[in-house]
Amino acid sequence: DTGVSQDPRHKITKRGQNVTFRCDPISEHNRLYWYRQTLGQGPEFLTYFQNEAQLEKSRLLSDRFSAERPKGSFSTLEIQRTEQGDSAMYLCASSPRDTEAFFGQGTRLTVV
Amino acid sequence: DQQVKQNSPSLSVQEGRISILNCDYTNSMFDYFLWYKKYPAEGPTFLISISSIKDKNEDGRFTVFLNKSAKHLSLHIVPSQPGDSAVYFCAFHGSSNTGKLIFGQGTTLQVKP
Repeated sequence: DTGVSQDPRHKITKRGQNVTFRCDPISEHNRLYWYRQTLGQGPEFLTYFQNEAQLEKSRLLSDRFSAERPKGSFSTLEIQRTEQGDSAMYLCASSPRDTEAFFGQGTRLTVV
Repeated sequence: DQQVKQNSPSLSVQEGRISILNCDYTNSMFDYFLWYKKYPAEGPTFLISISSIKDKNEDGRFTVFLNKSAKHLSLHIVPSQPGDSAVYFCAFHGSSNTGKLIFGQGTTLQVKP
């Protein structure tokens, strides 16, 4: 399968714990995006990488959130001191250029 | 501040008929427009797109129409099939060339056999 891969698919964590999600983009895509989707809403942009450089961050990305793409391949999104409001679907997407993006299946985070 | 609005949360259509999904936007800087389809527990799947220099793009049963003066985007599916039942999102990105997408809230389409 050569699509965007995200791990884990589901994560349940207690409030205050740290969580980390991984995204493996389509191999030849240099652009990588993280989005968050809550119930009844469309995906909301969080951050964008071109190769290893993080070029844009949304104001939704509080200082508890950090994303990396160390060698311009896979990316990680870490949430520190999780809160119940962080419960959402976290989506990763990749793209070879500034047109359509291809999404992974997402990581469903539940903070209890 | 909602830059993108899909005013119909849901739509129900009979199999074989036309489905029309609508989207309105406010930012005249948007230059590339997309539709995504999403099944439950999956990520969005790219469906069809159109650039601002065109007013229509077709791909099989799917046609996207762009009315720039009205800032209105629509997706026509004809004939509709039960497998088309999903949530449809319109999405846009501006001319910042990052490819960042701004999504609407989604319309749930149900195609009845």
